[in-house]
Amino acid sequence: NAGVTQTPKFQVLKTGQSMTLQCAQDMNHEYMSWYRQDPGMGLRLIHYSVGAGITDQGEVPNGYNVSRSTTEDFPLRLLSAAPSQTSVYFCASSPQGRHSPLHFGNGTRLTVT
Amino acid sequence: GQQVMQIPQYQHVQEGEDFTTYCNSSTTLSNIQWYKQRPGGHPVFLIQLVKSGEVKKQKRLTFQFGEAKKNSSLHITATQTTDVGTYFCAGFRSGGTASKLTFGTGTRLQVTL
Repeated sequence: NAGVTQTPKFQVLKTGQSMTLQCAQDMNHEYMSWYRQDPGMGLRLIHYSVGAGITDQGEVPNGYNVSRSTTEDFPLRLLSAAPSQTSVYFCASSPQGRHSPLHFGNGTRLTVT
Repeated sequence: GQQVMQIPQYQHVQEGEDFTTYCNSSTTLSNIQWYKQRPGGHPVFLIQLVKSGEVKKQKRLTFQFGEAKKNSSLHITATQTTDVGTYFCAGFRSGGTASKLTFGTGTRLQVTL
């Protein structure tokens, strides 16, 4: 059981570079989401998707893009990295939306210099 | 907007002592979820409470949902070193397209022998 798989585990970017954080789940969950975790801030929702072809913004969407072409995959794109995007990023999925328990991936630790 | 506060931010206990973390929402919740995150790990779902006044137990862990569905608590009896980590509550407020899951800032528990 792979669950939710995130790659890479660690990444260092220079300001202005772009990259994509990958997220895949094999549980056939309709709902997928991206969170960032910063010290003292808890988990904040970046973007989410309730199914293939449908995405929406969360609390802190600026600087990030997402797409959901398949049920399994939900990549997060940083278009032009900024030091303020240094954080730990978690992808999470659930079978029925935000009201049901979330399954988290192992996270990606991103540093932007 | 919806706010979920957790106290304390940090607690250090000796093994065998009890521990309680409290979660308070600014709005009435449809349900509340609790997660545990080990150091360097990802959040793992523990339990979901739905009913007013609900109490659930998992071995040494006792979870309560307040009568007004605006607060919750997690109590650990006789802590062990395996309880070390950060405990997050996440409050879900239903409302169609305005539905929202908000994470608390977490309580970090340190247990020493």
